[in-house]
Amino acid sequence: GAGVSQSPSNKVTEKGKDVELRCDPISGHTALYWYRQSLGQGLEFLIYFQGNSAPDKSGLPSDRFSAERTGGSVSTLTIQRTQQEDSAVYLCASSIRPRGYNEQFFGPGTRLTVL
Amino acid sequence: AQTVTQSQPEMSVQEAETVTLSCTYDTSENNYYLFWYKQPPSRQMILVIRQEAYKQQNATENRFSVNFQKAAKSFSLKISDSQLGDTAMYFCAFMLVPGSGNTGKLIFGQGTTLQVKP
Repeated sequence: GAGVSQSPSNKVTEKGKDVELRCDPISGHTALYWYRQSLGQGLEFLIYFQGNSAPDKSGLPSDRFSAERTGGSVSTLTIQRTQQEDSAVYLCASSIRPRGYNEQFFGPGTRLTVL
Repeated sequence: AQTVTQSQPEMSVQEAETVTLSCTYDTSENNYYLFWYKQPPSRQMILVIRQEAYKQQNATENRFSVNFQKAAKSFSLKISDSQLGDTAMYFCAFMLVPGSGNTGKLIFGQGTTLQVKP
C-alpha cells in the first residue's frame, strides 16, 4: 500500500515569507508526528497528533510554528515569517495507534531552504 | 528528560567486514524501546532494528544485531558482512512505551555517517 507522502519535496523561500508543508499519513494510522532535521539541532520532535485529542505541541520551537490535522488524516505544518534558522528537512511519520509498540513509518521529508 | 548520544560522527568499513556503531542514552524510566534507523541519501528513514528494554536478549535482524547493556545504558549496532547498500546515516533513537500520557515520540541521537568502501 501507499506509504507516508509529503509535499513539496523541496521548498525555497525568502526570509519573512510563510510556508505550508503537507503530510499524508498511511490510511488508518491515527498517530502522526512531525520531526525536524537540521544541521545544528539534529533530529528533533516537533508535534504529535492522535485522533481527536489535543495535540502535543511541546516540541514546537516558537510561536511562528503551528500545525493542524484535518479529519484525522492530512496534516499541515505552517511556519510564519520564516527565518534562516528554519532551514531544515521536515519529516512526518505515522503509526497505526499510540498504545504499545507500533512502528512509525516516515515520509521522504520536505527540504526547506530559507534565503 | 531523555537524551541519546552517538559519539561517532563518521565511520567507514570495507565491504564484507564488520562494523559497530555506538550509542548511549540516559533515562530514569524503566519501560522503553530503543531503535536504530537508517537514512540513505534519499532521506527515507528506515527502521533497522528494535529492542524492548524489558528483554534481556539482544535483538537481531539478519546481518544487524545489537548489544544492549541496560545497566550501562548502552545500545550499539553491529553490522556484519557490510554491503555497499549499507552506506547511510544511522540514528539511534529512544521511545518511552506509548500510553499513559506518553506519546511515543522518538528521541534521536546526532547520527553516524557510515561509508562502506568497495
